[in-house]
Amino acid sequence: QKEVEQDPGPLSVPEGAIVSLNCTYSNSAFQYFMWYRQYSRKGPELLMYTYSSGNKEDGRFTAQVDKSSKYISLFIRDSQPSDSATYLCAMSARGTGRRALTFGSGTRLQVQP
Amino acid sequence: GAGVSQSPRYKVAKRGQDVALRCDPISGHVSLFWYQQALGQGPEFLTYFQNEAQLDKSGLPSDRFFAERPEGSVSTLKIQRTQQEDSAVYLCASSLRRLAGDGDTQYFGPGTRLTVL
Repeated sequence: QKEVEQDPGPLSVPEGAIVSLNCTYSNSAFQYFMWYRQYSRKGPELLMYTYSSGNKEDGRFTAQVDKSSKYISLFIRDSQPSDSATYLCAMSARGTGRRALTFGSGTRLQVQP
Repeated sequence: GAGVSQSPRYKVAKRGQDVALRCDPISGHVSLFWYQQALGQGPEFLTYFQNEAQLDKSGLPSDRFFAERPEGSVSTLKIQRTQQEDSAVYLCASSLRRLAGDGDTQYFGPGTRLTVL
């Protein structure tokens, strides 16, 4: 079983919809949680970065972390066709000296105009 | 400023050939990472440098994989005797920070797509 599980989709929504993307994880040492966006044939681009539990909002994007449930979410409001991409959750542990990010497999999102 | 750059962007190799993939990190970034991304999967960690020191190579899948960063800037990932299962996108990332912690952001390059025939 993978340390980070993510529904691969694809997820297809109409323009303007609210999108909810989720990951679950098993390693309780994870403290830092990230969402990356990856367009086809491009490298991942950081969207949101949160530490421990709680919410963080940036424009149309809101990231939520629930460490008690080992569950993280990314919400996209007023989705646009330009949001069509693969969304990757990633996480890392604190204080272990290990810098590696552990990624989910990615959810492919298609926003229909 | 310029981001992380990688070359070549695409590489086709015959099984058994050696390949070398180059990464130019963001100027001044201390930490450099290599990841492997198979089709339809998330990136998987290969190795990590802090300046010229390779501090973690736990993700390298076999001794055919070798990485170096001799002057603490540009890095090369070398794969010897390539196999078909090595076909993937190889991503390089860099970070300004020395240590894990709040704000330790990894910035990714566009990747090198390796196809082994």
